Amino acid sequence: SQKIEQNSEALNIQEGKTATLTCNYTNYSPAYLQWYRQDPGRGPVFLLLIRENEKEKRKERLKVTFDTTLKQSLFHITASQPADSATYLCAFTGKLIFGQGTTLQVKP
Amino acid sequence: DTGVSQDPRHKITKRGQNVTFRCDPISEHNRLYWYRQTLGQGPEFLTYFQNEAQLEKSRLLSDRFSAERPKGSFSTLEIQRTEQGDSAMYLCASRTGILGTGELFFGEGSRLTVL
Repeated sequence: SQKIEQNSEALNIQEGKTATLTCNYTNYSPAYLQWYRQDPGRGPVFLLLIRENEKEKRKERLKVTFDTTLKQSLFHITASQPADSATYLCAFTGKLIFGQGTTLQVKP
Repeated sequence: DTGVSQDPRHKITKRGQNVTFRCDPISEHNRLYWYRQTLGQGPEFLTYFQNEAQLEKSRLLSDRFSAERPKGSFSTLEIQRTEQGDSAMYLCASRTGILGTGELFFGEGSRLTVL
């Protein structure tokens, strides 16, 4: 079955550093991937979509890459800030199958 | 505020009771989705509607769960004979587009606690 995996361990980094989160998938070749941010007790909020023919997508301090050979997407936050602390989710397919999310903690 | 509203935000019930959640999507969105999320997990797909038609339902969804979107606007998710394992956050999301590839707009969720 289609499966999407994210590192379940929390990522702790120092303010100002670049955070890199990984999303791996199996048994599927998605036409696109989406990334969402979720704060505790809130619904997810859309951040970026990247299509299979796009190697990289940027939005302000965010960058997403999509490697269809490795079946992997990387999500980068540059110059991270404490306000970036949240859980980040990747998802694919029309009905959106989500990974379990990776919690990012940015320490001042 | 994404424009998707869910009610109630919190519901505490006793095992065996029925509960109903309501979702009001963004008005021009033809697709509406329900997800369930437990602590430490990502949202798990339950079902989705295109207008009033329920197009897909997760195989994980037991017969105690039913969802409707009678006029293609708001939707309800009912859980009958609740069990403790039903305790979770129930998220509703909507989006527009024929291909269904656009971003999802989520509500704030309805948190269910079954005692």
